[in-house]
Amino acid sequence: RKEVEQDPGPFNVPEGATVAFNCTYSNSASQSFFWYRQDCRKEPKLLMSVYSSGNEDGRFTAQLNRASQYISLLIRDSKLSDSATYLCVVTPYNFNKFYFGSGTKLNVKP
Amino acid sequence: ETGVTQTPRHLVMGMTNKKSLKCEQHLGHNAMYWYKQSAKKPLELMFVYNFKEQTENNSVPSRFSPECPNSSHLFLHLHTLQPEDSALYLCASSPRLAGGPGDNEQFFGPGTRLTVL
Repeated sequence: RKEVEQDPGPFNVPEGATVAFNCTYSNSASQSFFWYRQDCRKEPKLLMSVYSSGNEDGRFTAQLNRASQYISLLIRDSKLSDSATYLCVVTPYNFNKFYFGSGTKLNVKP
Repeated sequence: ETGVTQTPRHLVMGMTNKKSLKCEQHLGHNAMYWYKQSAKKPLELMFVYNFKEQTENNSVPSRFSPECPNSSHLFLHLHTLQPEDSALYLCASSPRLAGGPGDNEQFFGPGTRLTVL
């Protein structure tokens, strides 16, 4: 079983739509969670960390569900510039690794 | 700018060549990483260094040889590569190794796009 699993998409949504991605992880001892964004042929860039209580940054909201072992990312009022691949990242406690999902592709269309 | 630079940005090499990839971080971080990203695959962790000591080798073939002379610089020496090694090689750094959220996010360099002929 993969450490981190994501629906590859693509999610094709119109501008202004609300879209949500989930990411499941297999190691219940995972401690740190992140969402990264990767544009085509570019490096991944941190979008936001995911805290136990959930957190929001503008149009982006991240949630953690430890019982079901998944994290989610909600994007409200989608912009064309949100088109990218969104990577889920999980780190088990005290391990020297960051486990990346294969990413979910989002296309926001006019 | 993320504060992590990589050179060269593009590299084409033959299977008998020897080349090196360079990564430098200007963020004062203590941990550095090499990743491989092939088309339609998740990022694959290759090596981890903490305070210039290697802490992780993710079963990487010996034709890839990392070197970390100090906490700011990381090299990946390449020799006798195969065409399937063609990929984007990404360097990243983080303040420290795994820990609580908020202080151990990874920052990536722009990558070296490697083609092995």
